[in-house]
Amino acid sequence: QKEVEQDPGPLSVPEGAIVSLNCTYSNSAFQYFMWYRQYSRKGPELLMYTYSSGNKEDGRFTAQVDKSSKYISLFIRDSQPSDSATYLCAMNRFQKLVFGTGTRLLVSP
Amino acid sequence: DADVTQTPRNRITKTGKRIMLECSQTKGHDRMYWYRQDPGLGLRLIYYSFDVKDINKGEISDGYSVSRQAQAKFSLSLESAIPNQTALYFCATSVLAGGQETQYFGPGTRLLVL
Repeated sequence: QKEVEQDPGPLSVPEGAIVSLNCTYSNSAFQYFMWYRQYSRKGPELLMYTYSSGNKEDGRFTAQVDKSSKYISLFIRDSQPSDSATYLCAMNRFQKLVFGTGTRLLVSP
Repeated sequence: DADVTQTPRNRITKTGKRIMLECSQTKGHDRMYWYRQDPGLGLRLIYYSFDVKDINKGEISDGYSVSRQAQAKFSLSLESAIPNQTALYFCATSVLAGGQETQYFGPGTRLLVL
């Protein structure tokens, strides 16, 4: 069993939709949770970072962590075609990051 | 200019050849990493270095070696390339602040081993 599970998608939505991206994890030692966005032919870039359970909002993006369920989510409101990318969750353990496989998101105009 | 650069961006090589992928950074970070990315497997850590004299194996180091020539440079070598090393390779740097580590990735090197 992988430490971090993420549905690879693709997830196709129309412009303006609310998008929900999710990861589950098995190791309760994970302390920090991140979401990276990766455009085609580019390296991943940090989008959101959270530490505690609960929600963290940044513009159209909301990161949610539920440590009791070992479940994290990224919500995108009013999705735009420019949000089309692969979204990777990541969690730290012993000063190294463990990444999910990434979910490919396609937002159509 | 990009903070983390990788050369070459694309490379085709043959089985058995030795190749080197190079990474340079201008962010002044001590920590550097090499990952490979494969469809369905995500990013997997090959090697990492927390400073110039520190080299550590990641989860998939077999068949690879690294050299940390300076704080700003971290190169990855495939001593004898094989087809299952065909992948997208990323270099990353990181800084640890307030318990949070943020990694910054280069643009990647696409490697094809025939």
